[in-house]
Amino acid sequence: DSGVTQTPKHLITATGQRVTLRCSPRSGDLSVYWYQQSLDQGLQFLIQYYNGEERAKGNILERFSAQQFPDLHSELNLSSLELGDSALYFCASSAPGSTQYFGPGTRLTVL
Amino acid sequence: AQSVTQLDSHVSVSEGTPVLLRCNYSSSYSPSLFWYVQHPNKGLQLLLKYTSAATLVKGINGFEAEFKKSETSFHLTKPSAHMSDAAEYFCVVSELGYQKVTFGTGTKLQVIP
Repeated sequence: DSGVTQTPKHLITATGQRVTLRCSPRSGDLSVYWYQQSLDQGLQFLIQYYNGEERAKGNILERFSAQQFPDLHSELNLSSLELGDSALYFCASSAPGSTQYFGPGTRLTVL
Repeated sequence: AQSVTQLDSHVSVSEGTPVLLRCNYSSSYSPSLFWYVQHPNKGLQLLLKYTSAATLVKGINGFEAEFKKSETSFHLTKPSAHMSDAAEYFCVVSELGYQKVTFGTGTKLQVIP
């Protein structure tokens, strides 16, 4: 158990819909990272937040957005969903300058 | 720019025989290197990390990796494979204080009884 929690574990929705994925970092970690893992793209970095502020951006689509709240939990919002958005979405957290620890992931299925 | 190449997408070994998963990297800076393991339907678990200390890094479950700067490699090894080692393994390179992280494409390890 990494100490990073993600909800929900599974999510099934339809094209065009909007979903929110939630991540709670390890106690004391200020950084939260979001990743997408799909069969065709592999594991891709989406975005990083540090203490509520966006720190780095990867291959995140404009239809996706994220935020980190004062209690340091983070949410990843995915809108206008397409079939190709079906993937496993991971959250990771880290202390400054330290290793990332990953949550168990949320499996999103878009039908 | 940084990149990481996992040279084998699938590796198959017999139980009790050595494991070698190969990883080459490129980095403009002094990188940190990691190996993560992902069991089916599970999250990613850190196996070991190299952060410019000892070049031979020991991790969990008997795995180790050696950082070879001259060869830009960070291969993962284990002397004797166990059935529970069957999983997908990701080599990861990180620069700039972990802000820039790149994952390899993964190597699926099959362990044959």
